[in-house]
Amino acid sequence: AQKITQTQPGMFVQEKEAVTLDCTYDTSDPSYGLFWYKQPSSGEMIFLIYQGSYDQQNATEGRYSLNFQKARKSANLVISASQLGDSAMYFCAMREYGSEKLVFGKGTKLTVNP
Amino acid sequence: EAQVTQNPRYLITVTGKKLTVTCSQNMNHEYMSWYRQDPGLGLRQIYYSMNVEVTDKGDVPEGYKVSRKEKRNFPLILESPSPNQTSLYFCASSQGLAGVSDTQYFGPGTRLTVL
Repeated sequence: AQKITQTQPGMFVQEKEAVTLDCTYDTSDPSYGLFWYKQPSSGEMIFLIYQGSYDQQNATEGRYSLNFQKARKSANLVISASQLGDSAMYFCAMREYGSEKLVFGKGTKLTVNP
Repeated sequence: EAQVTQNPRYLITVTGKKLTVTCSQNMNHEYMSWYRQDPGLGLRQIYYSMNVEVTDKGDVPEGYKVSRKEKRNFPLILESPSPNQTSLYFCASSQGLAGVSDTQYFGPGTRLTVL
């Protein structure tokens, strides 16, 4: 069964510093995709970045990068040069091959301090 | 602008009064889904649809109905709402690609309170 674990309920970071949000997953399927979403206080869910299990390189999208360690089953989100607007909830999610289901972790609340 | 829209955005209702939350997407996506978000539980899938007239249950379907008569619309129906259905609801859509890279895009959310 798919499972996503985000162990950090809350994280704090100073503006302009980098921060890593942890995500570990559990699956027996060799083919899967990992997603990160951002949910600001306004409530919408914003897609940030995707990593496939067979991708050779870690995904990057602007200030977002994914530290993908397949053997450890971890897919940590790294945000570089944090901005005040990065304060939000962040959710890690996974989809296994052949499944129509996107399974979410419980989220990490990031606060960026000025 | 490519988007998923939901209406209403906020709704307060009473137990047992039937309601419908609409969802529409303008991206010609095959796949659509409904989620509910509750504190400490993350997002849980209610129903999903692979295409017109094709729907299936997610993890928490009890108390909900859906229909997919048109590709762009996927309404969520609560025929007899109860207080435990008070939640934040999201509609999402994706291209419906085979494989694992199919990215879901979310609507703005509907905050429902059932008294």
